[in-house]
Amino acid sequence: QSVLTQPPSASGAPGQRVTISCSGSSSNIGNNYVSWYQQLPGTAPKLLIYRNNQRPSGVPDRFSGSKSGTSASLVISGLRSEDEADYYCAAWDDSLSGRGVFGGGTKLTVL
Amino acid sequence: EVQLLESGGGLVQPGGSLRLSCTASGFIFSNYAMSWVRQAPGKGLEWVSSISGSGGSTYYADSVKGRFTISRDNSKNTLYLQMNSLRVEDTAVYYCAKDDAVVIIEFDYWGQGTLVTVSS
Repeated sequence: QSVLTQPPSASGAPGQRVTISCSGSSSNIGNNYVSWYQQLPGTAPKLLIYRNNQRPSGVPDRFSGSKSGTSASLVISGLRSEDEADYYCAAWDDSLSGRGVFGGGTKLTVL
Repeated sequence: EVQLLESGGGLVQPGGSLRLSCTASGFIFSNYAMSWVRQAPGKGLEWVSSISGSGGSTYYADSVKGRFTISRDNSKNTLYLQMNSLRVEDTAVYYCAKDDAVVIIEFDYWGQGTLVTVSS
């Protein structure tokens, strides 16, 4: 059971827009930055979004992030076949002595 | 160019020990917090441990607390994870990841991962 809750799967046709949600609590998303990662099969994760809504250089502006209260979202616009991957949200959690937490991951299928 | 190269993975029996290393290059290592993240076969990402740039602050997941120790040698640009009392459920690919100046779980660079298999 992951501390951050993501839907296990999402899908969309090429060109469509897909939203992946990430739900947490006041001790993690509510009080800290959210980051998002894309993991293609057999490869290491790649940073897509940091500081809730910032894109590293090289990440297409088709990817955007937002945060509201204790939830965050990743939006992928103009879906492309190469976007088919697993997506994870992550944040710091202030509970106990502090810990990092990930969502369980969302497998995105491009139809 | 930032590079993170893990080593030290392998097959170990339950109850055994292993030390992972992550050699960093392309950035001022001591200026950044570092973390270990693992992924069991077919499963999602799991945060394991983080350490501040100076090494003075360390954090652990409950699942490894008391068994794993994170450390760093800034003179060698190397991050370590000493893993003791290994369990079958510790089997995973272990990634080292570069964080921001402080531990905030924003990993802009990842290593390629090293596989740890705990089995008899």
